[in-house]
Amino acid sequence: GESVGLHLPTLSVQEGDNSIINCAYSNSASDYFIWYKQESGKGPQFIIDIRSNMDKRQGQRVTVLLNKTVKHLSLQIAATQPGDSAVYFCAENDNDYKLSFGAGTTVTVRA
Amino acid sequence: SQTIHQWPATLVQPVGSPLSLECTVEGTSNPNLYWYRQAAGRGLQLLFYSVGIGQISSEVPQNLSASRPQDRQFILSSKKLLLSDSGFYLCAWSRGGSTGELFFGEGSRLTVL
Repeated sequence: GESVGLHLPTLSVQEGDNSIINCAYSNSASDYFIWYKQESGKGPQFIIDIRSNMDKRQGQRVTVLLNKTVKHLSLQIAATQPGDSAVYFCAENDNDYKLSFGAGTTVTVRA
Repeated sequence: SQTIHQWPATLVQPVGSPLSLECTVEGTSNPNLYWYRQAAGRGLQLLFYSVGIGQISSEVPQNLSASRPQDRQFILSSKKLLLSDSGFYLCAWSRGGSTGELFFGEGSRLTVL
């Protein structure tokens, strides 16, 4: 089974609002986490990553938060735009060469 | 810069026919290479990964196989396709040595009829 999962399979957000996508992981030994964005019919694209020695990392309009105590990861998207509509996956590194992916959250941006 | 190519982009095959999906990476050497499968509306399932030429690790038992004949070439094969092999297949690479960011290809959509 998958060691990484998502709290909600879908998220609908008004354009301009902030989005929060959540992810739970089960392997406390994981030390590296990534968020990917996948548009329909395309391969996943890297958004942002974070290592376990950090609890927050910011990128352009995105922030990833890591709470190792409860094994929770979140992705925040500021001022959500129509182009942010996609499926978002969290992934964890549970050994040296592999990433395990969650089931994904579909984000739909309402105009 | 590094690029990854996989082909064909779409494929419709009858049950029992063979399969060959190819993936090549350019602009880097000794990458880790991966094949993932994604069923409709689902997450990514790791099928195979390779840390070097001729080195293949299989994650799930199935009628698929993988080969790495050259440093930057990764091939996914089957001798006889099943209906359940239908899906979206993604090749990916990461920098050799340890896991970091995975860079994905554009995917190959396989429909087995």
